[in-house]
Amino acid sequence: QVQLQESGPGLVKPSETLSLTCTVSGGSISSYYWSWIRQPAGKGLEWIGRIYTSGSTNYNPSLKSRVTMSVDTSKNQFSLKLSSVTAADTAVYYCARDQGGAVAVSWFDPWGQGTLVTVSS
Amino acid sequence: EIVMTQSPATLSVSPGERATLSCRASQSVSSNLAWYQQKPGQAPRLLIYGASTRATGIPARFSGSGSGTEFTLTISSLQSEDFAVYYCQQYNNWPPVTFGQGTKVEIK
Repeated sequence: QVQLQESGPGLVKPSETLSLTCTVSGGSISSYYWSWIRQPAGKGLEWIGRIYTSGSTNYNPSLKSRVTMSVDTSKNQFSLKLSSVTAADTAVYYCARDQGGAVAVSWFDPWGQGTLVTVSS
Repeated sequence: EIVMTQSPATLSVSPGERATLSCRASQSVSSNLAWYQQKPGQAPRLLIYGASTRATGIPARFSGSGSGTEFTLTISSLQSEDFAVYYCQQYNNWPPVTFGQGTKVEIK
């Protein structure tokens, strides 16, 4: 079955750019939407945005000015960049497959195991 | 942005008992609601989508109901592996999709 694995630096300095990659295995990345979701320690879940394999994106308006997503179908990977980070961006970051289509985000399944990113100098 | 409110924050239940979790939306989300289970140190796992459809491999003791603004997740007979945090998520009005703050089901 499809599995997702996040990778990237676990520590990012304030004002710098957080960069994460999600590698999809056990299936093709093509023809699906793929989302990033984050969870600060002890708190709830926040949807960051999603990308289609064509490169089409939808972002959370609250983060839109700082978020860039990209996809590399040859590597079965998609990526997240979040600029100008602060301590408030410290969280576990998950990638997940979005079961929705072009006109609607839907539910998320499966999810990666998550990766903790800490913003600190 | 639609606000999802879950209650109670913590639910204490004995094994074998029934658990009823609530999720309320700040405006109608039709049946566009999902439920997830999250155990410590793990990613959320999809339980229910479309308000009442169980995801693949989810036991029948989990059931979802509701539409509009009021939703319920029922676990008919709690097993030891069911003690976890449960989140609801609406995907009717976006961006963004939004999640509730979670209900922790703990052993009584």
